[in-house]
Amino acid sequence: NAGVTQTPKFQVLKTGQSMTLQCAQDMNHEYMSWYRQDPGMGLRLIHYSVGAGITDQGEVPNGYNVSRSTTEDFPLRLLSAAPSQTSVYFCASSYSLQGANSKRVLTFGAGSRLTVL
Amino acid sequence: AQTVTQSQPEMSVQEAETVTLSCTYDTSESNYYLFWYKQPPSRQMILVIRQEAYKQQNATENRFSVNFQKAAKSFSLKISDSQLGDTAMYFCAFNAGGGNKLTFGTGTQLKVEL
Repeated sequence: NAGVTQTPKFQVLKTGQSMTLQCAQDMNHEYMSWYRQDPGMGLRLIHYSVGAGITDQGEVPNGYNVSRSTTEDFPLRLLSAAPSQTSVYFCASSYSLQGANSKRVLTFGAGSRLTVL
Repeated sequence: AQTVTQSQPEMSVQEAETVTLSCTYDTSESNYYLFWYKQPPSRQMILVIRQEAYKQQNATENRFSVNFQKAAKSFSLKISDSQLGDTAMYFCAFNAGGGNKLTFGTGTQLKVEL
């Protein structure tokens, strides 16, 4: 199994450019999420999805868009990149973060390092 | 809103010794889940251990164990017989029982030294 696959691993953008970070999982997980990791701030939730067609905002959603057209894919879009979006981005998935039978364990991708100049 | 606090930005330990990483959290929920994740230099996030709040028994996974103090809202991680491969950033995380979010602390960078 590939698990959670993120592409690209590294990207450099200029201010104002747009791009999409791709995330795909092959574990039939309903729950998918995007985090950003910044020094001294831990991981902060950007957006999440509990199933195809359903998305919601996390702690730091501004400047990012998401959609979930299939169970497998959860892309993160930056419409107009800003230097403040320089960060390492992680996609993570789980069967569910709710329910008595859910272990609520996230499986993470390898991360994508984005630099905005 | 739930918050997770890790007050030790950096720690070091000698190989084969024991080290304890601290984590406190704030919540009004009665049902929740706590986790420790490890991030080695490879950047990959790896689950170390999880604890369900309704269970009084502390979770253990080989050399890793937790000290869960529900009343004090404390969830510390003890690493016994530390190994060089334990060098990593360790994150404490919280999930409310009815919530769809996992909230992370700011992390503790652990260095295991010879």
